[in-house]
Amino acid sequence: NAGVTQTPKFRILKIGQSMTLQCAQDMNHNYMYWYRQDPGMGLKLIYYSVGAGITDKGEVPNGYNVSRSTTEDFPLRLELAAPSQTSVYFCASSYPGTANTEAFFGQGTRLTVV
Amino acid sequence: AQSVTQLDSQVPVFEEAPVELRCNYSSSVSVYLFWYVQYPNQGLQLLLKYLSGSTLVESINGFEAEFNKSQTSFHLRKPSVHISDTAEYFCAVSDHQGFQKLVFGTGTRLLVSP
Repeated sequence: NAGVTQTPKFRILKIGQSMTLQCAQDMNHNYMYWYRQDPGMGLKLIYYSVGAGITDKGEVPNGYNVSRSTTEDFPLRLELAAPSQTSVYFCASSYPGTANTEAFFGQGTRLTVV
Repeated sequence: AQSVTQLDSQVPVFEEAPVELRCNYSSSVSVYLFWYVQYPNQGLQLLLKYLSGSTLVESINGFEAEFNKSQTSFHLRKPSVHISDTAEYFCAVSDHQGFQKLVFGTGTRLLVSP
């Protein structure tokens, strides 16, 4: 069981370039999330999705876009990369249960914008 | 709005000593509390959670946390730490039991030395 898989693990972008961070989960989870982690700042929610075709903004959505065409995949798009987007990005997923609810995280994508 | 405060950015401790990592939260609604652990260059893993019921929750590797509603705290404790406990620990809060839109604290780095 692979869980949550993120690709790539590392990437260096030049200012103004675009890229897509990939996230896939094989647990049939309805809910998926994108967080960014900056040093000393904890994790901040960028976007989330409660199911295929449904997405919504989190705390820090500016500069990003998402789509959710399938239950398994939740890609994060950076259109015009800026140095402020240098961060570690984590994708997570969860099942809308109760006592057993838990968010599973991917290994992260370390992005540097220069 | 919810928020989480982890006052200690770093906690150095000797092996086999006890440790407490502090977490305070603020919320105007019911809360569900979590501790996640992040080992170097890895994603986050759930350590333990409080959803309801007993205010003392335990993990399988000897950590425990107590939900204190009057003090709005969810401190993490371990009576005797190991070198392998060296990691970053994040406290998080959610206002929905089945929807893991988490608000994270800034993290506490636990450094265990021989």
